Amino acid sequence: GAGVSQSPSNKVTEKGKDVELRCDPISGHTALYWYRQSLGQGLEFLIYFQGNSAPDKSGLPSDRFSAERTGGSVSTLTIQRTQQEDSAVYLCASSRPSDTQYFGPGTRLTVL
Amino acid sequence: SQQGEEDPQALSIQEGENATMNCSYKTSINNLQWYRQNSGRGLVHLILIRSNEREKHSGRLRVTLDTSKKSSSLLITASRAADTASYFCATSPLGGYKLSFGAGTTVTVRA
Repeated sequence: GAGVSQSPSNKVTEKGKDVELRCDPISGHTALYWYRQSLGQGLEFLIYFQGNSAPDKSGLPSDRFSAERTGGSVSTLTIQRTQQEDSAVYLCASSRPSDTQYFGPGTRLTVL
Repeated sequence: SQQGEEDPQALSIQEGENATMNCSYKTSINNLQWYRQNSGRGLVHLILIRSNEREKHSGRLRVTLDTSKKSSSLLITASRAADTASYFCATSPLGGYKLSFGAGTTVTVRA
């Protein structure tokens, strides 16, 4: 594909509900990353996938957050029992190993 | 945690003027990258400078890197209204992959 795509672009949910965010990386990129950006802040690393290796989940803020990457391509970030502090823009990036990371447009999550 | 810190936090300039922003970081890096973000959405990659490089150019952008001072600067020459955005530096650690971002510099270019 031309670039990293993410869906939905916006998601409004009620506190306590589960949400799923999707990322389609650039074709051929084996590395995939999720970041979170809270209002007016820099980006915070969440999770990293590289090929068939075990993912680096060290940035996930709580066990309510999980992510998977099926078939080495599409990734889904799931947030269970959402809280208001989960409101942020969730950005996905992909790259060749140790190369420039290209970002998608992000999903703006609002938890009411 | 954020490794990079941008300075200034905000910058307002007249169209046609140059804009300079700085980034400082704490630990040794493999490379440093600059990104632009419009309206709080996706990041656009601008330029990557490796730890063994001192200066790099791309169009109206000029990036310098001083590893002894652990700092980098981004210069945008002949600014345009379309350059209005937030600019972030991001460092890639030695042997690693997690990018560490600063809080960004918000640039406003007045017509």
